[in-house]
Amino acid sequence: QSALTQPASVSGSPGQSITISCTGTSSDVGGYNYVSWYQQHPGKAPKVMMYEVYNRPSGVSNRFSGSKSGNTASLTISGLQAEDEADYYCSSYRSSTNTHVFGTGTKVTVL
Amino acid sequence: EVQLVESGGGLVQPGGSLRLSCAASEFTFSNYWMAWVRQAPGKGLEWVANINQDGSATAYVGSVKGRFTISRDNAKESLYLQMNSLRDEDTGFYYCARDRGWNYLDWWGQGTLVTVS
Repeated sequence: QSALTQPASVSGSPGQSITISCTGTSSDVGGYNYVSWYQQHPGKAPKVMMYEVYNRPSGVSNRFSGSKSGNTASLTISGLQAEDEADYYCSSYRSSTNTHVFGTGTKVTVL
Repeated sequence: EVQLVESGGGLVQPGGSLRLSCAASEFTFSNYWMAWVRQAPGKGLEWVANINQDGSATAYVGSVKGRFTISRDNAKESLYLQMNSLRDEDTGFYYCARDRGWNYLDWWGQGTLVTVS
């Protein structure tokens, strides 16, 4: 099944803000608020950073925020820090296939 | 803290079978949906399957339908993935995750590596 579309890479300097987009369709991102974001450091398991578009799990820094407009969801990291360097994946429920679907993934680099 | 520990990965020939297990602890296993997610080496995440609390509802990604079976044993607090007719493209790390009912995956195991070659 087709993945949600994310930019391959995003970079920023420490202290800056960056935004990662996640584009789907009305059958997934646009149709439901079941959009979540995951951070994965090399060799580690993914960790949920955002759920239901803009809700942060306990323990996740408030430098992370989420939003959605139409068929595109976004994750913004403010005050970028070295520890934020990782791969990030969005995910959504897809009604046309009754499955979860992940995004293509974005590598965040802190310059 | 929630613990999910996968096992059962290994090297298998194309066409072969493998059964993955995931041992859960530190939460009431029978209250939650569970899922399997895989990641080919150097590639992105791919949702594989999920199962509801009592095992009466399951769902699969198209590429594994008819070949993989997700199941659970609530008495043993364990999740399983029976993988048959394995293909080269099934190679990767397989993660067990707690599924908040089609919403998000809030806890993940460390993964087990499956190599089909």
